[in-house]
Amino acid sequence: SYELTQPPSVSVSPGQTANITCSGDKLGDKFACWYQQKPGQSPVLVIYQDSKRPSGIPERFSGSSSGNTATLTISGTQAVDEADYYCQAWDSSTAVFGGGTKLTVL
Amino acid sequence: QVQLQESGPGLVKPSETLSLTCTVSGDSFSSYYWSWIRQSPGKGLEWIGYIYYTGSTNYNPSLKSRVTISVDTSKKQFSLRLSSVTAADTAVYYCAGYDDSSAYDYWGQGTLVTVSS
Repeated sequence: SYELTQPPSVSVSPGQTANITCSGDKLGDKFACWYQQKPGQSPVLVIYQDSKRPSGIPERFSGSSSGNTATLTISGTQAVDEADYYCQAWDSSTAVFGGGTKLTVL
Repeated sequence: QVQLQESGPGLVKPSETLSLTCTVSGDSFSSYYWSWIRQSPGKGLEWIGYIYYTGSTNYNPSLKSRVTISVDTSKKQFSLRLSSVTAADTAVYYCAGYDDSSAYDYWGQGTLVTVSS
């Protein structure tokens, strides 16, 4: 079965850039999306189709994908961005989620 | 704007069947693929499956033998049945929807289902 791998945790200082990676076999040939989940809340879509931002998502969130890796970039990270982030892609009409990355802003 | 609301028992006994319903408000029920996704306590997201308004379904291979997702377009509802549950099925169950973007734009608030005798 298809798997997506994320680092369990990423730390960033306020105002700096955070990069969260998601790796999977030929992931660049699929569309990746990203969700933000804060404690006790439902996930929120922050990036879809590799690099598109839904309405209402701040411009500091961006995405890219190439080869086997998709990357979520948060520029000028703010304390409010501290959350779990999940990547997701489709394989054979089945949705697959990465294991999630806890972003700590310190 | 689309809103989703899960409903169903919060406690299910081992070996029994878990049943949940998601009610969709707003327009465009037939424009979305409707899914169930779960999250065990302290763990990541696990996709269960989806249904289209036509009744077409697809399930996570690891759960396929125990899962049924059905739809009632007249009520704008879709439902999950998960049979032969064990403690490992204890989780927050979310209903969610995606359209042509292939990404889950809309999520319910989630409902905690505990499997315990």
